[in-house]
Amino acid sequence: AQKVTQAQTEISVVEKEDVTLDCVYETRDTTYYLFWYKQPPSGELVFLIRRNSFDEQNEISGRYSWNFQKSTSSFNFTITASQVVDSAVYFCALSATHMDSNYQLIWGAGTKLIIKP
Amino acid sequence: EPEVTQTPSHQVTQMGQEVILRCVPISNHLYFYWYRQILGQKVEFLVSFYNNEISEKSEIFDDQFSVERPDGSNFTLKIRSTKLEDSAMYFCASSEYPDLDEQYFGPGTRLTVT
Repeated sequence: AQKVTQAQTEISVVEKEDVTLDCVYETRDTTYYLFWYKQPPSGELVFLIRRNSFDEQNEISGRYSWNFQKSTSSFNFTITASQVVDSAVYFCALSATHMDSNYQLIWGAGTKLIIKP
Repeated sequence: EPEVTQTPSHQVTQMGQEVILRCVPISNHLYFYWYRQILGQKVEFLVSFYNNEISEKSEIFDDQFSVERPDGSNFTLKIRSTKLEDSAMYFCASSEYPDLDEQYFGPGTRLTVT
């Protein structure tokens, strides 16, 4: 079965702290993509990153970094020196080939991140 | 930068009424999707569409739902007889390639069924 688990329902930190959002996925496929999306209070879905299953290099983009570990089926997202504007719900998603259902993203339940000033 | 647009941003309708949610995908994209997000819950796949036909649909996408690409730019989701539980944010997305490609999402239409 294809599944994405975001065990942290809500995280609250004080501005400038580092915070890591966890994502654990399940798939039997060898080729797949993992995504992170941000959903600010305004409601839109903002693409953050896509990572394919063959590329386990960690990625850094400004204050954002992602740690992909196939051995633990995890794709964690870290925000360094968090800011109030980072407050949002963050979704991890999986897209895999040869799924029972192609052409769709499987979404985690989301983690609500609250950054306090 | 090209973007997916959706109209209206908010639709209020009475139970039993038909609604049509509209989306304009990115112009060179060939694959289109609808997702639903009930308030406070996860995003759920509804349907994917390519070459004027449905590629895949979820259990949610029953006979009350239909999709159409009426012209070269619009992609619509119709709910024939809305129910209270259809109240949700509906997101349209498009991609240039299928399956694993990045899907670009529209801003969403909030549907409220009263």
